[in-house]
Amino acid sequence: AQKITQTQPGMFVQEKEAVTLDCTYDTSDPSYGLFWYKQPSSGEMIFLIYQGSYDQQNATEGRYSLNFQKARKSANLVISASQLGDSAMYFCAMKGNQGGKLIFGQGTELSVKP
Amino acid sequence: GAGVSQSPSNKVTEKGKDVELRCDPISGHTALYWYRQSLGQGLEFLIYFQGNSAPDKSGLPSDRFSAERTGGSVSTLTIQRTQQEDSAVYLCASSRDGMNTEAFFGQGTRLTVV
Repeated sequence: AQKITQTQPGMFVQEKEAVTLDCTYDTSDPSYGLFWYKQPSSGEMIFLIYQGSYDQQNATEGRYSLNFQKARKSANLVISASQLGDSAMYFCAMKGNQGGKLIFGQGTELSVKP
Repeated sequence: GAGVSQSPSNKVTEKGKDVELRCDPISGHTALYWYRQSLGQGLEFLIYFQGNSAPDKSGLPSDRFSAERTGGSVSTLTIQRTQQEDSAVYLCASSRDGMNTEAFFGQGTRLTVV
């Protein structure tokens, strides 16, 4: 069975600082995809970044990067130069190699302080 | 349509009544997901469709919950004999085939059972 674990219910970061949100996963699939989503207080789910299990390099999208450590089964999200608008819930998610079921972690609530 | 559309956006129903929630996925997306999100919580997986079939319905909480998808497009989630614990936001998402394709979410239906 697949499982996603986010152990930080809440995080605080000072504006303009970098922050790392933790995500560990468990799967028996030989290949899989990892995703991060942002959910502001408005409730919409916004896709941020994707990492494939066979990708040689860590994914980056603007201020977002993914610290992928396959042996440790971790896929931490790094947000550089935090902005007040980054305050939101962040969810880590995974799809197996059949490209089917997409499961989510419990989320981390990030608060950016001015 | 341009995005995933869910209706209604809000639904208040009396305990014991049946409700139907609708999801219109992005055109051409073969995968469709339903999730439930209680206040401040993560996304609880309910069911996943590939085309019109549901390879994984393991997340449906009870036999009061059912879902169908027709024409590889619109999906309906039905909750029979609603209970107060069914109150939550029900989110629908769709994606193209494949492990590396992100899911796009609708705005959700907020269900309140009184």
